[in-house]
Amino acid sequence: QVHLVQSGPEVKKPGASVKISCKASGYTFTRHAMNWVRQAPGESLEWMGWISTSTGNPTYARDFTGRFVFSLDTSGSTASLQINSLKAEDTAVYYCAREGHDSSCDFWGQGTLVIVSS
Amino acid sequence: DIQMTQSPSSLSASVGDRVTITCRASQGIRNDLGWYQQKPGKAPERLIYAASILQSGVPSRFSGSGSGTEFTLTISSLQPEDFATYYCLQHNNYPYTFGQGTKLEIK
Repeated sequence: QVHLVQSGPEVKKPGASVKISCKASGYTFTRHAMNWVRQAPGESLEWMGWISTSTGNPTYARDFTGRFVFSLDTSGSTASLQINSLKAEDTAVYYCAREGHDSSCDFWGQGTLVIVSS
Repeated sequence: DIQMTQSPSSLSASVGDRVTITCRASQGIRNDLGWYQQKPGKAPERLIYAASILQSGVPSRFSGSGSGTEFTLTISSLQPEDFATYYCLQHNNYPYTFGQGTKLEIK
């Protein structure tokens, strides 16, 4: 069965960087793109973008250009999200979500809480 | 960007009630819509895809309908485990966009 296991919670200071990983199992990693979704405390879900796991080409939503970087380790079936120059407003839970055959998000990681605080 | 307007934002209901949640898209999205359930502290789980197809393993009391701009999620007879927050997601056009969520609470 499909599993997406994300790395653990992080506490960072403003200006630092963080890298979140999402390890996939139970399917062929390169056959399904990976989406990233943010959920700020008490807020709705926000789609950040996606990365093609076959080409490595990322696509970012407008609000997630510049400081956000999607990457892959295909040999390890792992997708990663790096956030640079962290701000307090980056405090949120970040989810990876596999793109299903119908192009929606079918399976999700358990989420990674990132807290940015001085 | 396609705006997804979800209503109501919150809903109080009792076990056994039938409830309906609506999502309206700002432009036509065919049937490129999914419904998700999220419980506190947990990741969302997909209930419905392609607007009306039940995800494997999801109880049949959940159903979805609609196409174009108007979509509904119906729970035919609420069970205690159904009290959660529900979201719609359109994946017809980038950027994908979610509804604001409907928090379903016990009356």
